[in-house]
Amino acid sequence: DGGITQSPKYLFRKEGQNVTLSCEQNLNHDAMYWYRQDPGQGLRLIYYSQIVNDFQKGDIAEGYSVSREKKESFPLTVTSAQKNPTAFYLCASSNPGTGGPYEQYFGPGTRLTVT
Amino acid sequence: AQTVTQSQPEMSVQEAETVTLSCTYDTSESNYYLFWYKQPPSRQMILVIRQEAYKQQNATENRFSVNFQKAAKSFSLKISDSQLGDTAMYFCAFMKWAAGNKLTFGGGTRVLVKP
Repeated sequence: DGGITQSPKYLFRKEGQNVTLSCEQNLNHDAMYWYRQDPGQGLRLIYYSQIVNDFQKGDIAEGYSVSREKKESFPLTVTSAQKNPTAFYLCASSNPGTGGPYEQYFGPGTRLTVT
Repeated sequence: AQTVTQSQPEMSVQEAETVTLSCTYDTSESNYYLFWYKQPPSRQMILVIRQEAYKQQNATENRFSVNFQKAAKSFSLKISDSQLGDTAMYFCAFMKWAAGNKLTFGGGTRVLVKP
């Protein structure tokens, strides 16, 4: 089955440590995205990538970094510079440029707790 | 920059009845797309319905339909014959055409369907 996987589902880290969240897709989508969701709020864009080896900052990129070495993978690193890293992180993918919008498909998310 | 506003933080509806969620957006663009996403307690984001701004006809997907008023920059979602499984957070989202397919989300409306 095609889809997006994020691992792990729950992640706990101590303050001051970097942590990397995994996102893999087998939908053959060109574009991938990372969003952050805080309790009771909508999603905010962290980073996005439209092609391999290229990515752009979203609205809240400070304290985060990404890489896109493979089409299928778009890992997100939450660095110690991120002041409030505890949140729910969602990865998504889409296939723009095919004549449509097109809609983003989301993974199941990773809940990160930093203490 | 685009903004999306959902003015109803929470709504409740009796099973089998109809509920309408409001969404307004602010943009200077003429070509764009609008989406409604559903986030049930599992937190998986699921696309409910989409609307292309160039289409005057309102989109419909089974029990879900939209009222798209381009001049008023309004995009409401109507859920007919509400079912218990419709209980979720609902997010309105805006996508500018040909701009990386980035989504801008509203703050969400929590819908509770009561038996």
